[in-house]
Amino acid sequence: QKEVEQDPGPLSVPEGAIVSLNCTYSNSAFQYFMWYRQYSRKGPELLMYTYSSGNKEDGRFTAQVDKSSKYISLFIRDSQPSDSATYLCASGRDYGQNFVFGPGTRLSVLP
Amino acid sequence: GAVVSQHPSWVICKSGTSVKIECRSLDFQATTMFWYRQFPKQSLMLMATSNEGSKATYEQGVEKDKFLINHASLTLSTLTVTSAHPEDSSFYICSARGLAGRETQYFGPGTRLLVL
Repeated sequence: QKEVEQDPGPLSVPEGAIVSLNCTYSNSAFQYFMWYRQYSRKGPELLMYTYSSGNKEDGRFTAQVDKSSKYISLFIRDSQPSDSATYLCASGRDYGQNFVFGPGTRLSVLP
Repeated sequence: GAVVSQHPSWVICKSGTSVKIECRSLDFQATTMFWYRQFPKQSLMLMATSNEGSKATYEQGVEKDKFLINHASLTLSTLTVTSAHPEDSSFYICSARGLAGRETQYFGPGTRLLVL
């Protein structure tokens, strides 16, 4: 079992839809959870970062972590064509250690 | 803040030559830098982790003599692909993780390497 799993998609939604992206992880010691967005031929950019459980909101983006079920979610409200990208979740245990990345979900928001 | 740069952004070289890629943290000190490679439509594959002033830790299956990593300062790490071959053609991405208070990783824009 991979430490972080993610449906690779592709996921296509119409503009304005609410997008739900999800990951599961297996290591109960993970405490750091991140979502990155990667456009084609670009490096990943950090979208959201949470420590431990709970929700975090930033504009149209909401990240949720449920440590009891080892489930990580990213919600995108009022999705735009510019949101079309690959979304990577990542989790980690200790400061200074590498995070484990999911394979990424390719999202297409259709105008 | 938290900007990481890479140079060059793309490079084409002949088989057998060596290529050096630089990764710099521009506005923070990076105690740890990571090097990834990514093939088209695939996820990131961690190659190695480097801590400033010490030898890099390579992931299983990554040849340390082929992919030389130097992390000489808190703002600079280099990856040298020695005797590059066409199968080394890939997208190389670095990320940097800073001192206390910056727990997450920030990625560079990537370097596209094409070996002819």
